[in-house]
Amino acid sequence: KNEVEQSPQNLTAQEGEFITINCSYSVGISALHWLQQHPGGGIVSLFMLSSGKKKHGRLIATINIQEKHSSLHITASHPRDSAVYICAGTYNTDKLIFGTGTRLQVFP
Amino acid sequence: EPEVTQTPSHQVTQMGQEVILRCVPISNHLYFYWYRQILGQKVEFLVSFYNNEISEKSEIFDDQFSVERPDGSNFTLKIRSTKLEDSAMYFCASSGAGWEQFFGPGTRLTVL
Repeated sequence: KNEVEQSPQNLTAQEGEFITINCSYSVGISALHWLQQHPGGGIVSLFMLSSGKKKHGRLIATINIQEKHSSLHITASHPRDSAVYICAGTYNTDKLIFGTGTRLQVFP
Repeated sequence: EPEVTQTPSHQVTQMGQEVILRCVPISNHLYFYWYRQILGQKVEFLVSFYNNEISEKSEIFDDQFSVERPDGSNFTLKIRSTKLEDSAMYFCASSGAGWEQFFGPGTRLTVL
């Protein structure tokens, strides 16, 4: 069964801290996606990756194919980073299979 | 920057009524999706649509659901006879050739 699991479920941090959110997935993934869900509910795609590492501003996503594991890192965290971060996978079709999300709160 | 739009933002309906949720995907995208998120749960795939037909649907997408692209710009999800358990946030998404999906802001459906 195609599955995506995330940890932790909840994460709190002080402004400026380095944050890591982890995702593990079942074999056969085509691409791993990281998305951000705002408190109002909207979903924004952050990264799509199938190998290596991608960086956008203070966000870095990595994937380790052998270990079936991906991480999302946030450097120099800020209260505006507070959101739910979701990893999702595409397998042999283009539908996204979502993880349960990690709720991040960054305090000033 | 082009974006996916959805209307209405919130729909309240009585159990048994029909609802139509509307989406305008990004104009040059070819692949369209509906997902839903029941409060407190993870986002679930409902259906994907390409070339004017359903390409894949989940077990959730039973006979009460249908999708349509009536005019080349809108993409609609119809729920024929709503149930209490249909209450959820419904997200439309679209993608071009690269499989990155762009999501609309969602429609919150409340079934009373």
